Amino acid sequence: GDSVTQMEGPVTLSEEAFLTINCTYTATGYPSLFWYVQYPGEGLQLLLKATKADDKGSNKGFEATYRKETTSFHLEKGSVQVSDSAVYFCALSGGDYKLSFGAGTTVTVRA
Amino acid sequence: DTAVSQTPKYLVTQMGNDKSIKCEQNLGHDTMYWYKQDSKKFLKIMFSYNNKELIINETVPNRFSPKSPDKAHLNLHINSLELGDSAVYFCASSQQTSATSTDTQYFGPGTRLTVL
Repeated sequence: GDSVTQMEGPVTLSEEAFLTINCTYTATGYPSLFWYVQYPGEGLQLLLKATKADDKGSNKGFEATYRKETTSFHLEKGSVQVSDSAVYFCALSGGDYKLSFGAGTTVTVRA
Repeated sequence: DTAVSQTPKYLVTQMGNDKSIKCEQNLGHDTMYWYKQDSKKFLKIMFSYNNKELIINETVPNRFSPKSPDKAHLNLHINSLELGDSAVYFCASSQQTSATSTDTQYFGPGTRLTVL
């Protein structure tokens, strides 16, 4: 079945550091890929998505490119802020009404 | 204003009790979902309804029963609560209308259930 493997956390960074969170997937067909973010005490918010190979999703300075050849969708941000502290989830939708989530990566940004 | 709302936000109850969590979406979506997030933040789908019809029913104890009175509402009723049911439960909705499409899911704020 479909699955998502996400880098283990927690990740602790200083402000203005570069952030990358690795995500790889296994799926049949052509899934859509998502990054969701969960701020402390809140629900999940869609951060960005890509629906086909080579698409780049971007939002709030975050970017991820759908790489079919490496089955990856790594999340990057060039300069993080304290307000980016959250749990980040990579997710896949294979068209069967389900979202398959990675385990989540907790990111803490220190001032 | 709120797209996907859930009530209550917090629910503390004793083992053996029966409780319900309500979810409403005002996005006009056809499909709604319940997810469970455990203490390690792992998210797993429980149920999905499309136009009031059950389309996903994962391996969930039958003490959990979803009910969709209309397209905009999906409630979750839990009988005989157990300690292991303690988790955060998220409702979500999407415009997905077939098994071949992959529309974005929008999540509610979650309900933190604590069973004592």
